[in-house]
Amino acid sequence: AQSVSQHNHHVILSEAASLELGCNYSYGGTVNLFWYVQYPGQHLQLLLKYFSGDPLVKGIKGFEAEFIKSKFSFNLRKPSVQWSDTAEYFCAVTPDSNYQLIWGAGTKLIIKP
Amino acid sequence: ETGVTQSPTHLIKTRGQQVTLRCSSQSGHNTVSWYQQALGQGPQFIFQYYREEENGRGNFPPRFSGLQFPNYSSELNVNALELDDSALYLCASSLVGGIPSYEQYFGPGTRLTVT
Repeated sequence: AQSVSQHNHHVILSEAASLELGCNYSYGGTVNLFWYVQYPGQHLQLLLKYFSGDPLVKGIKGFEAEFIKSKFSFNLRKPSVQWSDTAEYFCAVTPDSNYQLIWGAGTKLIIKP
Repeated sequence: ETGVTQSPTHLIKTRGQQVTLRCSSQSGHNTVSWYQQALGQGPQFIFQYYREEENGRGNFPPRFSGLQFPNYSSELNVNALELDDSALYLCASSLVGGIPSYEQYFGPGTRLTVT
């Protein structure tokens, strides 16, 4: 069965630290990849997406992610985090021609001011 | 542009009862997907509706059913509620056939508690 793994359930960083959240998926075909963010008290918002083309994609608020097909990975990065990045981050995958999103369990990120 | 809305925001039901949750899709979108998010977990796909028909279903029993209306709004019905049905139910809308067709926009969710 297709699945998405997020390696860290909780991450605590200080402001200005660099961030990398891991995401691996199990599916052998073409996929579309997403990172969603849920800020405290808010609903899920799309952070960035990869459909095709340049495997390094940039999203909102300085986030970026790199698709490495050989590693089935789509890790999220940010060079310098801010307190306002405190949120829960979800990686999601949808196999091509299938609109069902398959989600990781999420990573709760806490940024200490 | 109107975002995805869901009602009610919170609901408390008793085991064995039935519940209906509602979702209005974002303006211009024609597809609605429903997800269940248990505490501490990622969302799980329940089903998707496109052109008023079910267009894919996750691993949920038949007591989870849905409808999509001509205006693309949707309902999720759950019969014979069980304690494990307690969760946040998320609705997401998207535009199938448009660009980008895989991008889903989420509502705030309905928090269902079954006692």
